[in-house]
Amino acid sequence: TQLLEQSPQFLSIQEGENLTVYCNSSSVFSSLQWYRQEPGEGPVLLVTVVTGGEVKKLKRLTFQFGDARKDSSLHITAAQPGDTGLYLCAGANAGNNRKLIWGLGTSLAVNP
Amino acid sequence: DAGITQSPRYKITETGRQVTLMCHQTWSHSYMFWYRQDLGHGLRLIYYSAAADITDKGEVPDGYVVSRSKTENFPLTLESATRSQTSVYFCASSPPRTGSSGNTIYFGEGSWLTVV
Repeated sequence: TQLLEQSPQFLSIQEGENLTVYCNSSSVFSSLQWYRQEPGEGPVLLVTVVTGGEVKKLKRLTFQFGDARKDSSLHITAAQPGDTGLYLCAGANAGNNRKLIWGLGTSLAVNP
Repeated sequence: DAGITQSPRYKITETGRQVTLMCHQTWSHSYMFWYRQDLGHGLRLIYYSAAADITDKGEVPDGYVVSRSKTENFPLTLESATRSQTSVYFCASSPPRTGSSGNTIYFGEGSWLTVV
């Protein structure tokens, strides 16, 4: 059974701080996605990384796919209260890329 | 742009009753999914559908039934609700093609179901 482990599970920081969230697996994925979910809503896709070593930036968010395509990280610079939410990573296999493997998520609270 | 809508948003039902959660999408996406989200378990796939009249089991299909007679609708039925089916249910859809950037899954806002 493929698993995606996210760490930390919970993170509470002050506005302006930097943070990194990790998503690790022993399995190789053809692509990996990061979603953000706000309370009372469904997850929304932030980014998809496909190539080993790939780095993508979305404003203050930097996403990296591991060279071996088994892990990924999300780094937020100068966090803002609007970044508060549940961050989920999800991996896809080449064989069936519709049945994503989901991490349990990292719940981030950014305090003003 | 209505996107993907779920109904009801909130439902309380009794053990043993049949409950149907509705899902409608306006994008003509070929793929549709039902997930449940629970503390400690994250998002778990119940059923998914690649096209009208094509459905397949996900990770936790027991106790659930789906149908997809039309591309835009994907209802989820709990035939005889149990307390363990108390959860938040998310319907989602995805376009048919996967490019080099992978496939995006678009989620509805969720249906909160409590079985008492």
